[in-house]
Amino acid sequence: SQQGEEDPQALSIQEGENATMNCSYKTSINNLQWYRQNSGRGLVHLILIRSNEREKHSGRLRVTLDTSKKSSSLLITASRAADTASYFCATGKGFQGGKLIFGQGTELSVKP
Amino acid sequence: DVKVTQSSRYLVKRTGEKVFLECVQDMDHENMFWYRQDPGLGLRLIYFSYDVKMKEKGDIPEGYSVSREKKERFSLILESASTNQTSMYLCASSLKKTLITRNTEAFFGQGTRLTVV
Repeated sequence: SQQGEEDPQALSIQEGENATMNCSYKTSINNLQWYRQNSGRGLVHLILIRSNEREKHSGRLRVTLDTSKKSSSLLITASRAADTASYFCATGKGFQGGKLIFGQGTELSVKP
Repeated sequence: DVKVTQSSRYLVKRTGEKVFLECVQDMDHENMFWYRQDPGLGLRLIYFSYDVKMKEKGDIPEGYSVSREKKERFSLILESASTNQTSMYLCASSLKKTLITRNTEAFFGQGTRLTVV
């Protein structure tokens, strides 16, 4: 069964706008990670947030984690056409948090 | 740079064939993963290995087996390929989390698109 569920499944915005994607999960986690996938390629890691953290920033990315609601959000500010990709959240489970379970992904389209 | 290499980008096999998908990583990672990706279903974990000869079933292990004889290599085996195993297969690796290792991000290969006819 899928651990993470992303919302929305697809998002279309204009360049310069902000894009927000949400991820909900079901059981307790060790960490939560966000990945990006360009069409037909492997995934690339974007950012990791640990269960004891609430917010993290990396460049134009901002990730929040609410363990009480079992949810996380990824915000991409000032989006660019090059941000067009699929975005996945993954939860780290198990004793070392190494077992990664992915959600279904959000397909982001940024129009120039 | 971490490199995860999958042996084939595209593969066409016949129903009933035994299929081997190979994955090699060059960063001495303890954890290795096999996922399959299908439209609308995201990435689903097939098998996870946290050390040589150690493996754990993921969400969809039926019809698959794995082999991890060396730390750098993780093989996915389709015992008798079927058309419903036509999919994109993704291999990944990551470091084991320790008190020193803080970052356990996964590194992915480029994927193998398998078609079973």
